[in-house]
Amino acid sequence: EDKVVQSPLSLVVHEGDTVTLNCSYEVTNFRSLLWYKQEKKAPTFLFMLTSSGIEKKSGRLSSILDKKELFSILNITATQTGDSAVYLCAVDQTGANNLFFGTGTRLTVIP
Amino acid sequence: NAGVTQTPKFRILKIGQSMTLQCTQDMNHNYMYWYRQDPGMGLKLIYYSVGAGITDKGEVPNGYNVSRSTTEDFPLRLELAAPSQTSVYFCASRVVPEKLFFGSGTQLSVL
Repeated sequence: EDKVVQSPLSLVVHEGDTVTLNCSYEVTNFRSLLWYKQEKKAPTFLFMLTSSGIEKKSGRLSSILDKKELFSILNITATQTGDSAVYLCAVDQTGANNLFFGTGTRLTVIP
Repeated sequence: NAGVTQTPKFRILKIGQSMTLQCTQDMNHNYMYWYRQDPGMGLKLIYYSVGAGITDKGEVPNGYNVSRSTTEDFPLRLELAAPSQTSVYFCASRVVPEKLFFGSGTQLSVL
């Protein structure tokens, strides 16, 4: 059965800390892995990863994919209170019509 | 571009009532999706469409219906609302294999 598992489920850190969020997957015909940030409303897109070992970076956020070990990590450095959100991981499959979503990691950044 | 537009943003229904959640996208995306998100959970697929005139069930279709008469519109119909349908509903669209674009969500309570 195809699945996407995120860990930890929740995380509380202080401003300035660095955090690593994990996403492991077991899906057939993997095409890409996507990260989204969800604050109060709709998820907003962060990264799409298709190739192993190539880091995607945007400001303090970065992500990398390991297709051999079937996981991805999302790093956030120098966290700020505005980083508080649920971070969702989703996997896209070739030949499928849907993305499989994990349950998300809830990050809380304390001032 | 407005992107994906959902209406209404909030709605309270009584048990047994019906309603339609509207979704429109102006990006000429062929794929459209309806998800529900329960508190603390990930996104679960209700229905999806790969183009006008074509719809298919997702993981949790019971109690819902959809139609896709145009590329732009993908309404979700709730018949005989039940408390179990209390959730946040998201419409999304994309061009495969690109990222999903989400609407702002509809918070629905069935009392």
